[in-house]
Amino acid sequence: KQEVTQIPAALSVPEGENLVLNCSFTDSAIYNLQWFRQDPGKGLTSLLLIQSSQREQTSGRLNASLDKSSGRSTLYIAASQPGDSATYLCAVTNDYKLSFGAGTTVTVRA
Amino acid sequence: GAGVSQTPSNKVTEKGKYVELRCDPISGHTALYWYRQSLGQGPEFLIYFQGTGAADDSGLPNDRFFAVRPEGSVSTLKIQRTERGDSAVYLCASSLDRGPADTQYFGPGTRLTVL
Repeated sequence: KQEVTQIPAALSVPEGENLVLNCSFTDSAIYNLQWFRQDPGKGLTSLLLIQSSQREQTSGRLNASLDKSSGRSTLYIAASQPGDSATYLCAVTNDYKLSFGAGTTVTVRA
Repeated sequence: GAGVSQTPSNKVTEKGKYVELRCDPISGHTALYWYRQSLGQGPEFLIYFQGTGAADDSGLPNDRFFAVRPEGSVSTLKIQRTERGDSAVYLCASSLDRGPADTQYFGPGTRLTVL
């Protein structure tokens, strides 16, 4: 069974600092890895999707890397803003199912 | 176009009651998924439909949970004899079903509270 772990569970930084969120997974036979954002009481917003053949994806201030062989991904958020405060979830796809980590809750202090 | 919609957005029920949660997928999406997210956890897979049939229901926790998709579009998740442990946000997603790595689009979820 795929297990996805996210470290740290919570993170608080001052505005302008770079964020580094980590995700690890136990079964490397994945099709892709996705990072989601979830605001309190809201659904999931997809941020980045990395196919298993790719090493990284970038969108604006967000950059995600994938090392499939070691079962790790890192999400970098540059120059954080208070609007980046949310929970960030990592998910991997095996056989149609998404397996999620428990998330990292980020607070960016103004 | 319209995204995945779920109704109701909130449902409060008493222990032992029966509830139905509805999901309307994106038009044209043949694959539909249900996930359950407990407080402080990531979503957990429940069931996956290809068209009208359940292709994988391995995530349903027990026989109190059942889901249908009779016409290959709208799906209903049914929970019998609800228990307090069933309290969670139930998320629905849909995709074009072009393969196992196809992008899943999520609805806003139904928050179920069992008193």
